[in-house]
Amino acid sequence: GAGVSQSPSNKVTEKGKDVELRCDPISGHTALYWYRQSLGQGLEFLIYFQGNSAPDKSGLPSDRFSAERTGGSVSTLTIQRTQQEDSAVYLCASSLGAQPQHFGDGTRLSIL
Amino acid sequence: AQSVTQPDIHITVSEGASLELRCNYSYGATPYLFWYVQSPGQGLQLLLKYFSGDTLVQGIKGFEAEFKRSQSSFNLRKPSVHWSDAAEYFCAVGSSGGSYIPTFGRGTSLIVHP
Repeated sequence: GAGVSQSPSNKVTEKGKDVELRCDPISGHTALYWYRQSLGQGLEFLIYFQGNSAPDKSGLPSDRFSAERTGGSVSTLTIQRTQQEDSAVYLCASSLGAQPQHFGDGTRLSIL
Repeated sequence: AQSVTQPDIHITVSEGASLELRCNYSYGATPYLFWYVQSPGQGLQLLLKYFSGDTLVQGIKGFEAEFKRSQSSFNLRKPSVHWSDAAEYFCAVGSSGGSYIPTFGRGTSLIVHP
């Protein structure tokens, strides 16, 4: 399809394990965003990639969180040594510059 | 710094009634403004946007919003709500230059009674 694709759609893991979440943005979109949405909460900004510029990591909550974007396309969000408070829905969005964002359906992460 | 306030956490309306969801923003220049809708288990879908020009903007699914600079508001309206409109609604403010990271409000949950 032509939309933003995220995988897996659901992930259950044990506390202390590492997880990787994947995002395939819309082809040609230069900007890519990761957000975290906890139950009943709004969107918490995590990280932003724009073209070849250095990413804006100002929203990452701790050094256990990292993300990369390879070839200006696919992005992976990695959470190391997961904690129960990391349980949330992780949303990815892409856009063309300042144009409206297109969101994926998210990855629901559950930490046991 | 830009910010968005959605004062209503929950709104309950009857099917067929009119709807207005409030959004107030803080931004130093002319903002880019957006409304998104999120159905359970899904990502956010753009309803409408304001960049410039006519302050009354039309969106999908029969929604409209009006930009009022003097009130720093961008309220979302619909004249007649359908049961399928029950969802979470997010207002967002963005920048026209530099960093394009939009700021989202905390969302308003719309409940529709039959």
